[in-house]
Amino acid sequence: SAVISQKPSRDICQRGTSLTIQCQVDSQVTMMFWYRQQPGQSLTLIATANQGSEATYESGFVIDKFPISRPNLTFSTLTVSNMSPEDSSIYLCSVAQLEGSPLHFGNGTRLTVT
Amino acid sequence: EDQVTQSPEALRLQEGESSSLNCSYTVSGLRGLFWYRQDPGKGPEFLFTLYSAGEEKEKERLKATLTKKESFLHITAPKPEDSATYLCAVQSDRGSTLGRLYFGRGTQLTVWP
Repeated sequence: SAVISQKPSRDICQRGTSLTIQCQVDSQVTMMFWYRQQPGQSLTLIATANQGSEATYESGFVIDKFPISRPNLTFSTLTVSNMSPEDSSIYLCSVAQLEGSPLHFGNGTRLTVT
Repeated sequence: EDQVTQSPEALRLQEGESSSLNCSYTVSGLRGLFWYRQDPGKGPEFLFTLYSAGEEKEKERLKATLTKKESFLHITAPKPEDSATYLCAVQSDRGSTLGRLYFGRGTQLTVWP
């Protein structure tokens, strides 16, 4: 399976600032997704990162708050903008080669907003 | 609305004490059911995919089974290294988001020596 690297692994940020999380995959993948994992909650899909076009956001998530880029088939970024303490969470990049094939995950970015 | 419910939330077992984790799901058109293992500070690690009722998959001490309404992850003679959170997720063949998984909250398994 693909090796997925996320940077940074963790960060502590002040409210009102923005953080960009990078996801690098060691091989070309068809699908890339960004998930959020809050304590005691299930993993929630934020958006599908589409190569060369705008990301597709799930209900409750908007582009102004979580802009996403995917310039090629191996790389994507997620920005958490104008952060508040409610954004404290683990953000996970995941990839799949085909619809119906299992998702594989990076180790996540643990974000704390103070 | 598609939903995934896992039980129990937490399970403590003595080494060698076999048990099962449950994943109940409600989904419009099941494309696949997935089991993951997640260790602290790590992303979920893929274990199994099940596609149709009656299907079973095995890996070492783990066996996953699937019915039309639920899946079980059976753990036989567990060891302390099996301690982790086990996540269940389903994929629907309907809806607009290709490849999307709906996750349960997980079962936190602790195996003590």
